Amino acid sequence: EPEVTQTPSHQVTQMGQEVILRCVPISNHLYFYWYRQILGQKVEFLVSFYNNEISEKSEIFDDQFSVERPDGSNFTLKIRSTKLEDSAMYFCASSLAGGLTDTQYFGPGTRLTVL
Amino acid sequence: GENVEQHPSTLSVQEGDSAVIKCTYSDSASNYFPWYKQELGKGPQLIIDIRSNVGEKKDQRIAVTLNKTAKHFSLHITETQPEDSAVYFCAATKARGGSYIPTFGRGTSLIVHP
Repeated sequence: EPEVTQTPSHQVTQMGQEVILRCVPISNHLYFYWYRQILGQKVEFLVSFYNNEISEKSEIFDDQFSVERPDGSNFTLKIRSTKLEDSAMYFCASSLAGGLTDTQYFGPGTRLTVL
Repeated sequence: GENVEQHPSTLSVQEGDSAVIKCTYSDSASNYFPWYKQELGKGPQLIIDIRSNVGEKKDQRIAVTLNKTAKHFSLHITETQPEDSAVYFCAATKARGGSYIPTFGRGTSLIVHP
């Protein structure tokens, strides 16, 4: 069964460093998403992406964040200058279409630890 | 914005018992309510969903009910099995810009004892 994959599974970085989290969505999916979950808190929406541009972003997704689909398979989340509070689990998701009931398939997540 | 509250945070049951997880939402514009199961080391996976024009939906041992007037919805698992042990998230979805975005509850850790 096709699945969303994410690399790395765990990333440790120093405060102020840039990180890139990578995702490979399901191959025929057209809509892509990033979520994050700070330990013990809710899963929060960051950004959605379609047709090579951002469709929607939350207030969390400020100028230090960016997303890119550099080729036909990868979808990346870049954090330019990491802060301690960026430590969280980051989930990528993809869906075939962007309708109300179109299932979003989640990857296993990347745990980001900022020291 | 939308706020989703989920209870309980932890639920411990014996194999064969039923489990009920309850959620409330605040925004009447939310019109789709998926439930996700997250097993250790994996991302959330959709297990059942319900639209706002439906009161109840069942799929084998799991069912979801929705009370749109009261803005609450529940997940029911009958005849629980150890493999049902996981974290369950409810979500309320509405249109935001060009996308449909779920707002998640905090999650319920379900433990099924053999």
